[in-house]
Amino acid sequence: GENVEQHPSTLSVQEGDSAVIKCTYSDSASNYFPWYKQELGKRPQLIIDIRSNVGEKKDQRIAVTLNKTAKHFSLHITETQPEDSAVYFCAASMDGTASKLTFGTGTRLQVTL
Amino acid sequence: EAQVTQNPRYLITVTGKKLTVTCSQNMNHEYMSWYRQDPGLGLRQIYYSMNVEVTDKGDVPEGYKVSRKEKRNFPLILESPSPNQTSLYFCASSLPGASWELFFGEGSRLTVL
Repeated sequence: GENVEQHPSTLSVQEGDSAVIKCTYSDSASNYFPWYKQELGKRPQLIIDIRSNVGEKKDQRIAVTLNKTAKHFSLHITETQPEDSAVYFCAASMDGTASKLTFGTGTRLQVTL
Repeated sequence: EAQVTQNPRYLITVTGKKLTVTCSQNMNHEYMSWYRQDPGLGLRQIYYSMNVEVTDKGDVPEGYKVSRKEKRNFPLILESPSPNQTSLYFCASSLPGASWELFFGEGSRLTVL
């Protein structure tokens, strides 16, 4: 089955700096890659996703890039703010849906003032 | 208000005492799923359901049962809980289509002594 590795496990940045979280996947058939954000004590929420026919997708301060050849995808957050502090999970799916997502182990992002 | 509701939110029980965690969604979603979240392991899928009476195993189904008799409900059953099932459990639902956003419940923290 699919295996998703996520790095780093913790990341501390100063407010206004950029943050990058990287994930690699094992199965070249994977074609759907969502990112979920989980604030402390809250439920995970989808923040952005990308499909394999697209190399990059942006939504305001967040962007995701996908390198199918290297089998890795990354989340980029620019101009970080304290409210970006959370655990971020990447995930991958082989059928283009979220029915059988394999999640990474999570990255705890801390944005310091 | 569109939501996924789980009960109980917190439960401490003992080994072998059967329990059920209920999940209900009011969004008429066809897809529902259960995940467990453990430190350092991310979110792992237990079971999922594509529609009424259609269920399938996820990555960690051992020790769990599910049923989908109605579209809105997807209970998770632990017939004989063991300490290794101590975890934070999330139910999620989605409407299959162009967007496969998972809507998570608030989570159920289960401790098995």
